[in-house]
Amino acid sequence: KAGVTQTPRYLIKTRGQQVTLSCSPISGHRSVSWYQQTPGQGLQFLFEYFSETQRNKGNFPGRFSGRQFSNSRSEMNVSTLELGDSALYLCASSLRPGPGTDTQYFGPGTRLTVL
Amino acid sequence: AQTVTQSQPEMSVQEAETVTLSCTYDTSESDYYLFWYKQPPSRQMILVIRQEAYKQQNATENRFSVNFQKAAKSFSLKISDSQLGDAAMYFCAYNRGGATNKLIFGTGTLLAVQP
Repeated sequence: KAGVTQTPRYLIKTRGQQVTLSCSPISGHRSVSWYQQTPGQGLQFLFEYFSETQRNKGNFPGRFSGRQFSNSRSEMNVSTLELGDSALYLCASSLRPGPGTDTQYFGPGTRLTVL
Repeated sequence: AQTVTQSQPEMSVQEAETVTLSCTYDTSESDYYLFWYKQPPSRQMILVIRQEAYKQQNATENRFSVNFQKAAKSFSLKISDSQLGDAAMYFCAYNRGGATNKLIFGTGTLLAVQP
């Protein structure tokens, strides 16, 4: 079974631009979560989606948004990029929300560099 | 708010020896989940072990085991018979349970394995 895939793997943008990152969960998984990883702030939760609905949102400005499609693929968008948005963005998927029975599997991440 | 603390930024162990990584957390919940994730240089986050707070028995996965002290809010990871492939960043993570996959991560411990 294919794992979680994230595209693109690497991205370079300039300040003020916007960017869209994509995450395809493992087949059959309907829950997708996003995390930002930076050297200064560590791993921080961005959003969580299940069945096209955002169920949880982390403490990030409104420039960060996301959505999930009917095939469970998810995208996150960052508008008006700032230098501090440079980070590794990780996506994780599971069958459904809640760690009671399911394991979350992480993708390889998208490395975003903002110049 | 829940927090996760890893007080050891770096650790080193000789191959075949045993090492223990520390993690403490703070929560007012009684039922929750704790995890150890491994992030090798490839950046792919891999689940090492999980512990349900309602289970008194410490989780074990092959060479990996935890010492879960609920009253002390402590969750350490023991790696036995360390191998070169164990070298990675290790993150302790907390999930409050219920219908959410949101993880709160510690700052990580970089483990080096010396041949």
